[in-house]
Parts: sequence; C-alpha cells; structure tokens
Amino acid sequence: AQTVTQSQPEMSVQEAETVTLSCTYDTSESNYYLFWYKQPPSRQMILVIRQEAYKQQNATENRFSVNFQKAAKSFSLKISDSQLGDTAMYFCAFMKPRNYGGATNKLIFGTGTLLAVQP
Amino acid sequence: DAMVIQNPRYQVTQFGKPVTLSCSQTLNHNVMYWYQQKSSQAPKLLFHYYDKDFNNEADTPDNFQSRRPNTSFCFLDIRSPGLGDAAMYLCATSRVWLSKETQYFGPGTRLLVL
Repeated sequence: AQTVTQSQPEMSVQEAETVTLSCTYDTSESNYYLFWYKQPPSRQMILVIRQEAYKQQNATENRFSVNFQKAAKSFSLKISDSQLGDTAMYFCAFMKPRNYGGATNKLIFGTGTLLAVQP
Repeated sequence: DAMVIQNPRYQVTQFGKPVTLSCSQTLNHNVMYWYQQKSSQAPKLLFHYYDKDFNNEADTPDNFQSRRPNTSFCFLDIRSPGLGDAAMYLCATSRVWLSKETQYFGPGTRLLVL
C-alpha cells in the first residue's frame, strides 16, 4: 500500500522569503502522479502543482516549484517570494494512474503542513 | 467559470436526523468523489462515482450513501448522523482521459450535528 509522509506539521516563513515543504512517499509502482494541494483557512482546496513520475523535469508554476527525487521517493515543494496569501495547510498527495479500462484510483494524502507567512 | 459547487456551505442537523449534501459541477467531469475531512486532518475518501458506477471505500460506514442522478450532480446522504459525523465534506471531480486525473475540489460543506 502507498503511504505519504509530511514530517513538518507546521512551518513559518517571513514574507518575500523562500520556504521548502517536505514530502516523502512509499510505493512499488514505477508510474504515478504526485500533487501538492493548498487549503487556506476556511477556504477551498486548490491544486498547486502536479508531477508525473515518468517526467524527469521538475514541475514549476510561477513561484511554486518541486524537487522530485524518484529514487529517494521525495517530492518537496519550494515557495519563492512568499506572500501572505500563501498561508494555508499544504497537502502532498500520491495517485496511481488508472489502469486502462479500470476504475479510477484515489488520492493518498499526507497529514499536511500548516504554513504561516509572517509580515 | 467552470467549477465545483457545494450546497449548503454550512449545515446544522440533529442527532439521528437524515441530511443530504449536494454537489454540482460544470466541468463535465466523469468522476465525482466525496471526502470527509475532520479538523486538522487530511481528507478521507468515502466513495466515488466513475460515470454511473458507484465505488465505495471498504471502511465507509453504511450510514453514508450517495446518488448521482446525472453527470452534473452528486448527493451525499447521511441516514442517521451521529456526533462523530460532524466534519467538512468535500466534493471533488476529475476527468479520466489520457490519464489526466487531477481532482478539482469544491468549497466544502461544514456539517454540525447537535
């Protein structure tokens, strides 16, 4: 069974600085997807970034980038130029791709990292 | 804008009184999911619909049921809510096509059981 571990329950960063959130996972699969989702206080969970395991290039989305180390089963999220609006719970998640013709697979979430951006 | 909509945003019910939560989507996604999220925890999948096919998680209590009358709508029915069912309920959707299975979440319904 797949597991996702986020070892940092809480983190804090000053506005405009850079912060890295850690995520490790365990799987015997060779092909899979990894995601970072952001859930601001009392607000909607939104996708931050997605990585496909067969792609060696690290995904980037504006100020958000990942460091994907497949052999180490590590998937960290780097937030550059942190903004107050980045304050949220961040969830790392794993998904196996659907087998052709089979049922879709579910997201396996980590326990989350609560990030506070300080002014 | 295409989106996932959940109604109501807040729901108060009494212990044992059936309650229904609603989810609709304009994304034309063929998969719809229901998650339960308790305070400071990760979301926990209850079940999902792949088109009309219902897929229940093994540890989802019988108290929780779902209906999907058409592509756009999905309902979560809690037959006899207990105090332990107080939580945020999240609906999500995805499109299974060329393996692009990213899930998009609605804003959630916060359920309070008195």
